[in-house]
Amino acid sequence: DVKVTQSSRYLVKRTGEKVFLECVQDMDHENMFWYRQDPGLGLRLIYFSYDVKMKEKGDIPEGYSVSREKKERFSLILESASTNQTSMYLCASSISKGLAGVYEQYFGPGTRLTVT
Amino acid sequence: KNEVEQSPQNLTAQEGEFITINCSYSVGISALHWLQQHPGGGIVSLFMLSSGKKKHGRLIATINIQEKHSSLHITASHPRDSAVYICAASSNFGNEKLTFGTGTRLTIIP
Repeated sequence: DVKVTQSSRYLVKRTGEKVFLECVQDMDHENMFWYRQDPGLGLRLIYFSYDVKMKEKGDIPEGYSVSREKKERFSLILESASTNQTSMYLCASSISKGLAGVYEQYFGPGTRLTVT
Repeated sequence: KNEVEQSPQNLTAQEGEFITINCSYSVGISALHWLQQHPGGGIVSLFMLSSGKKKHGRLIATINIQEKHSSLHITASHPRDSAVYICAASSNFGNEKLTFGTGTRLTIIP
């Protein structure tokens, strides 16, 4: 079974703090994604990565950065946390688009971040 | 206007009822995904389909490419089916980016 794990289920941080959210997958997937989920807005893509050290902006990258130094690990960084970044953060991974077909995404359990 | 629209937003039903959740999309797609999210956050993929119909246990997913519409059906619903159901579209063949609907919160009352 594919397993995607996230470093914390719940996190409380203060405004202005630097926050790291870690995601690890164990199935050698090339693609990894960071989403945030807010009531009434659904899941929105922050960043994704299709290879080590490669990244692309999603729909809402402002205020975030990412790092992918190893294939299995994708980190989301909030450089200076703000209250409007209070949200549920979900990581996902999938096989590379280079293969024929469309592949499902496997999600981690989510991190509920509260910024006070 | 969201490219992927779901209805209804909330649905409450009695145990045993037949459930239908609808999803309409306005973009060309390579596949339509149905996802389930239980309280606590974790999301699992139920179906991924590009044509016709798929069935898994009591769950059935259908898609009509011409009408840009998909439905998720649950037969003999059970309280453990209570969850948020999300549809998502893969917009281009081989492109892994998904566009999500806002979800349907389903509550099944015993």
